[in-house]
Amino acid sequence: GAVVSQHPSWVICKSGTSVKIECRSLDFQATTMFWYRQFPKKSLMLMATSNEGSKATYEQGVEKDKFLINHASLTLSTLTVTSAHPEDSSFYICSARDPGGERSGEQYFGPGTRLTVT
Amino acid sequence: AQSVTQLDSQVPVFEEAPVELRCNYSSSVSVYLFWYVQYPNQGLQLLLKYLSGSTLVKGINGFEAEFNKSQTSFHLRKPSVHISDTAEYFCAVSSSAGGTSYGKLTFGQGTILTVHP
Repeated sequence: GAVVSQHPSWVICKSGTSVKIECRSLDFQATTMFWYRQFPKKSLMLMATSNEGSKATYEQGVEKDKFLINHASLTLSTLTVTSAHPEDSSFYICSARDPGGERSGEQYFGPGTRLTVT
Repeated sequence: AQSVTQLDSQVPVFEEAPVELRCNYSSSVSVYLFWYVQYPNQGLQLLLKYLSGSTLVKGINGFEAEFNKSQTSFHLRKPSVHISDTAEYFCAVSSSAGGTSYGKLTFGQGTILTVHP
C-alpha cells in the first residue's frame, strides 16, 4: 500500500524560531498533498492543500505567512511554522491524495508530527 | 459545504461485545464516505470507504459500515470487539462533484472507542 512519511515525528522549539516539517510519499507520486492540524481531543482541521509546482491553497483563517508550504517535487511537501509561538503547539498531519483514486478523494496519511513550542 | 457529525464522543464497551459508532453527514452534493482509525500519537489509517455500489461496505479488522442516503448516515459496526480496537475513529466525507471542495476531506469530531476486558 501507499506509504506517507513525516519528519520529524516530534520536535520541541523555542518561541520565535521556525520549524520545518517534511511530508514524503514513499512509493508513489503525489501531485496533491494536504496539511492538517489536530488539537488535543479534537478532530483534524484542514490547513491547506499543497499542489506540486504551484502555490498552496489555504483554508479560511489559516495564516499563509505563518504556515509556509512548499511542494517542490512529486514526493515531497514541507510545512514551515515561522516565528512559532506556544499556541502553535499541536499535532500536524500530512496526507497525500491517492493518484489512482483521484475521483474518490482518498488520502494516505502520514504518522504526524508533534510540535511543542516553549 | 459539507459537515460531519459523530454522535458519540466516547463509546465504552466490553471485549467481544458488538459496537456501533454513529456518523451523520450533511452535503448539498453527492459524497464519498470514509472511516479512519487513529491510534495514540499516530496518523490515520483507512478502515473502509464508500464510493458507489453496494451500501454495505466491509473494511479491515472486521469492521463494516452501511451507507444510508435517506438518513444521511454512515454508521460503523463491528460484531465483536477486541482490546486492540481501542482507538479514536473518524468519519469523513469528500465531495464527489467538482468545484473547490473536490478531493478535500471533512472530518467528524471523532469517537473514542474504549474496549474493556
